[in-house]
Amino acid sequence: LAKTTQPISMDSYEGQEVNITCSHNNIATNDYITWYQQFPSQGPRFIIQGYKTKVTNEVASLFIPADRKSSTLSLPRVSLSDTAVYYCLVGDTDDMRFGAGTRLTVKP
Amino acid sequence: GAGVSQSPSNKVTEKGKDVELRCDPISGHTALYWYRQSLGQGLEFLIYFQGNSAPDKSGLPSDRFSAERTGGSVSTLTIQRTQQEDSAVYLCASSLLNYNEQFFGPGTRLTVL
Repeated sequence: LAKTTQPISMDSYEGQEVNITCSHNNIATNDYITWYQQFPSQGPRFIIQGYKTKVTNEVASLFIPADRKSSTLSLPRVSLSDTAVYYCLVGDTDDMRFGAGTRLTVKP
Repeated sequence: GAGVSQSPSNKVTEKGKDVELRCDPISGHTALYWYRQSLGQGLEFLIYFQGNSAPDKSGLPSDRFSAERTGGSVSTLTIQRTQQEDSAVYLCASSLLNYNEQFFGPGTRLTVL
């Protein structure tokens, strides 16, 4: 079981870059790293997924070091609408554990 | 196209009653997941299906919880003899294959009085 550890909460301001790091020391060879975003009263929404190195899409980047024991979600130039809970998910479908997530608050 | 749908959207029941929660995944998605989320908490994994089979049921909180999936599509989560601690939002998600993006439904808010 690859347990994940994330900061409980983070604050930022509009226009800043936000980096949320997730620790997963026991990640297994077959495990992928996936990040989800959840707004209040909604189900989580997929942001990005990676296995190693760097992945970038239109909303975020995911940095994974060579040992894969951690990963960093990078949100460029956040806005108020990025206020949400962000979950780091590591594993395969045999054991999917979302954890408590990181509550990001973006301030004006 | 249609996303994941869940019914009912809200369910209020009395302690001790049985409830059934339904999930209609996206057509063609072979993997289906059930999660539970208590107020202000993170998601708790309950069970996943690959087709009609559930390789791992260890996430189910107790033997009062059961789930089935028929025809590789619709899934039902049944909670017998509901307790107040079962009150939560029950979320269903589906994905095309393992490791792929999970698409979540709107959830069923269960309140046990």
